[in-house]
Amino acid sequence: EAQVTQNPRYLITVTGKKLTVTCSQNMNHEYMSWYRQDPGLGLRQIYYSMNVEVTDKGDVPEGYKVSRKEKRNFPLILESPSPNQTSLYFCASSLYSPPGAYNSPLHFGNGTRLTVT
Amino acid sequence: AQSVSQHNHHVILSEAASLELGCNYSYGGTVNLFWYVQYPGQHLQLLLKYFSGDPLVKGIKGFEAEFIKSKFSFNLRKPSVQWSDTAEYFCAVNGGNNDMRFGAGTRLTVKP
Repeated sequence: EAQVTQNPRYLITVTGKKLTVTCSQNMNHEYMSWYRQDPGLGLRQIYYSMNVEVTDKGDVPEGYKVSRKEKRNFPLILESPSPNQTSLYFCASSLYSPPGAYNSPLHFGNGTRLTVT
Repeated sequence: AQSVSQHNHHVILSEAASLELGCNYSYGGTVNLFWYVQYPGQHLQLLLKYFSGDPLVKGIKGFEAEFIKSKFSFNLRKPSVQWSDTAEYFCAVNGGNNDMRFGAGTRLTVKP
């Protein structure tokens, strides 16, 4: 089944403890992206990647890192999480860049709810 | 930078009422426009999309949207809503570059 898989679904951690949220897609998509969803703010893009070894900042990259060593994986790393990073995170992918163009819409994972205390 | 505005934060309707959710964007060039739906506890799913051609696009579950270039708008409509349409709706815009901008979302509650 074609899908975007995120893990974990729920994560509670403490300030400063490094964590990684994994994202994997099995559709050979070029483009991958991370968003955070906060009430009243919608989805804001954190980082995106157009292809292997190509990543770029979105609107809210501070406090996050990403890597794209393989086409299928795009992990989100929080080196030193803080309470303002408590949010719902979504990974998404599309077949081509730019996302959504050439009839290749964004496919979303099921989300990771992160709480930083 | 491009931005997306959704005018209504929360809309409450009775079943069978008609729906129109507003979406305006700010971007001067060619755009690709999308509406996504997020059912409670689920991820976003594509409802419909506009790339070019007929400005009235039809999507899944009876939804449609009209692109009005002069107004920079892409409003979502449905003639008769059902209880199962209760969800959050997001308008999104891609201006041909490598990001996708989303609006803040509109929460729709349909009363049975």
